[in-house]
Amino acid sequence: AQKITQTQPGMFVQEKEAVTLDCTYDTSDQSYGLFWYKQPSSGEMIFLIYQGSYDEQNATEGRYSLNFQKARKSANLVISASQLGDSAMYFCAMREGQDGGSQGNLIFGKGTKLSVKP
Amino acid sequence: EAQVTQNPRYLITVTGKKLTVTCSQNMNHEYMSWYRQDPGLGLRQIYYSMNVEVTDKGDVPEGYKVSRKEKRNFPLILESPSPNQTSLYFCASRPGRGIEKLFFGSGTQLSVL
Repeated sequence: AQKITQTQPGMFVQEKEAVTLDCTYDTSDQSYGLFWYKQPSSGEMIFLIYQGSYDEQNATEGRYSLNFQKARKSANLVISASQLGDSAMYFCAMREGQDGGSQGNLIFGKGTKLSVKP
Repeated sequence: EAQVTQNPRYLITVTGKKLTVTCSQNMNHEYMSWYRQDPGLGLRQIYYSMNVEVTDKGDVPEGYKVSRKEKRNFPLILESPSPNQTSLYFCASRPGRGIEKLFFGSGTQLSVL
């Protein structure tokens, strides 16, 4: 079974509008971390935002916020006021175990390609 | 500048010709990892290393070797490349076992003919 599921292979959004990229995860660990990375067409992987399983508040980083719903095991990325430069591939990832419990390898979803229309 | 450096950026080779993709980080990170990225499959882990001389298989290790003789270097070795290893490869590192994010190299696009 997939541990990270991104159900939207591709999405379009109008410039200046907000967009939500979905991510659900599967783990039996109590302690884990959730990440979002952006991959523009140039290919590099850019870290966007992190949410720890024990964090009570949703993480925010500028125009990025993570809508963390622990009971539903979802960690959706919200991008506000989309810009043309936001067009990219977006990957959700999970790290199981936090302190000493596991190797803490990062498991990635298959990604969502976001296209921002002018 | 703190970074993970991969070389080469692009590589075209033929089936069976041994190759090495180098990875080096200058942040004194303990943990290093290799991923391959294929369309529709996301990033899949090949090998990882928790520290010098400590390596372990990821999800797709077949056809690959790694070594970690020094903390900063983590080369990926393809002893006998095959066309199904054509992919985009990423090296990544992080300080240790904490919740820290991964720092990625800029990627190596490998084509095996």
